[in-house]
Amino acid sequence: GAGVSQSPRYKVAKRGQDVALRCDPISGHVSLFWYQQALGQGPEFLTYFQNEAQLDKSGLPSDRFFAERPEGSVSTLKIQRTQQEDSAVYLCASSLEGASTDTQYFGPGTRLTVL
Amino acid sequence: GQQLNQNPQSMFIQEGEDVSMNCTSSSIFNTWLWYKQDPGEGPVLLIALYKAGELTSNGRLTAQFGITRKDSFLNISASIPSDVGIYFCAGMILTGGGNKLTFGTGTQLKVEL
Repeated sequence: GAGVSQSPRYKVAKRGQDVALRCDPISGHVSLFWYQQALGQGPEFLTYFQNEAQLDKSGLPSDRFFAERPEGSVSTLKIQRTQQEDSAVYLCASSLEGASTDTQYFGPGTRLTVL
Repeated sequence: GQQLNQNPQSMFIQEGEDVSMNCTSSSIFNTWLWYKQDPGEGPVLLIALYKAGELTSNGRLTAQFGITRKDSFLNISASIPSDVGIYFCAGMILTGGGNKLTFGTGTQLKVEL
């Protein structure tokens, strides 16, 4: 596909369950970002990859959040022992390289609901 | 985390009216961006501003990068029904760890036919 894709689009988890959210960036894009968007808020930065290297994880809210991009393309955001406050839309974005003029293209997001 | 202040929070206007919204920050940014988000979708870039004082247009959209680098505004002229959605400003700082975006709180636009 031409754009960023994310799966699943919707995920319902019971509190305490582990979840894994997948992001397929635009082919050839070096930079990949994860954002968390709470209801009624703007997206908030979680973490950034340049190829397979995770260069910034300053936005991850706790050590229950873990992201990886082992081959520099597909990325997975994993949340362990989910809590109700983890309920949000998780957005993935990719950009060609890392220049300030590179557009970040967003996927449709995964809506996570923790019961 | 930090979110930029956007005003107004929401607005309900008549089709054909002009719309204006702004975004302010306590921090300086090198780049200002304006995105639109439709329900169930990710944000889509509308306009990017790279230089303080820059005024840029994209069709019916006009945006300006404030001189202080701490604010920006977006104008939409002659609004149409498809302009409905949530508009977000975002500031970017170029760092060695990537160009992460700091988003505003959003302005929800509703257009009455």
